[in-house]
Amino acid sequence: AQTVTQSQPEMSVQEAETVTLSCTYDTSESDYYLFWYKQPPSRQMILVIRQEAYKQQNATENRFSVNFQKAAKSFSLKISDSQLGDAAMYFCAYRSGGNFGNEKLTFGTGTRLTIIP
Amino acid sequence: DAMVIQNPRYQVTQFGKPVTLSCSQTLNHNVMYWYQQKSSQAPKLLFHYYDKDFNNEADTPDNFQSRRPNTSFCFLDIRSPGLGDAAMYLCATSRDRGRSQPQHFGDGTRLSIL
Repeated sequence: AQTVTQSQPEMSVQEAETVTLSCTYDTSESDYYLFWYKQPPSRQMILVIRQEAYKQQNATENRFSVNFQKAAKSFSLKISDSQLGDAAMYFCAYRSGGNFGNEKLTFGTGTRLTIIP
Repeated sequence: DAMVIQNPRYQVTQFGKPVTLSCSQTLNHNVMYWYQQKSSQAPKLLFHYYDKDFNNEADTPDNFQSRRPNTSFCFLDIRSPGLGDAAMYLCATSRDRGRSQPQHFGDGTRLSIL
């Protein structure tokens, strides 16, 4: 079974600075997908960024980028120019690239990010 | 805006008293999911529907059931809630099955057991 580990329960960063959230995973599969989701306080979880394992190029979405190291099974999220609205719980998630029907997202336990004004 | 709506946001029930949580979506997505998220833990998939096809996770207790009467609605039934079932329950949808399909989440229903 796949596991996802987020070793930083809490992080904080000064507004406008850069912060990196770490995520490691364990799998024996070669085809899979990785996601970062953001869950603001009392609000719904939303997708921040996703990465296909077969793509070597790191995904980027505006101020959000990932450092995907497949051999090391590491998938960190970098947030540049942090803004107050980035304050949230961030979840790393893994999804198998297998056949249809394997719809399970395996989540890490999350990192709570605080933005310091 | 198209969305995933969960009602109620907070639900309190008594130990052993059946409870139903609801989820509706205006996205017209084929797949609907139910996750359980206990305090300080990762969300855990309970089951999902692909259209009318129900898919249960192997470790989901029998106490948890689900219904999907139409594309828009999906219900989570807990037949005899125990104290260990207190959690946030998240509903999510995706447009179709497929490995890179993102899941769209509702706000969740926080269930308390008295």
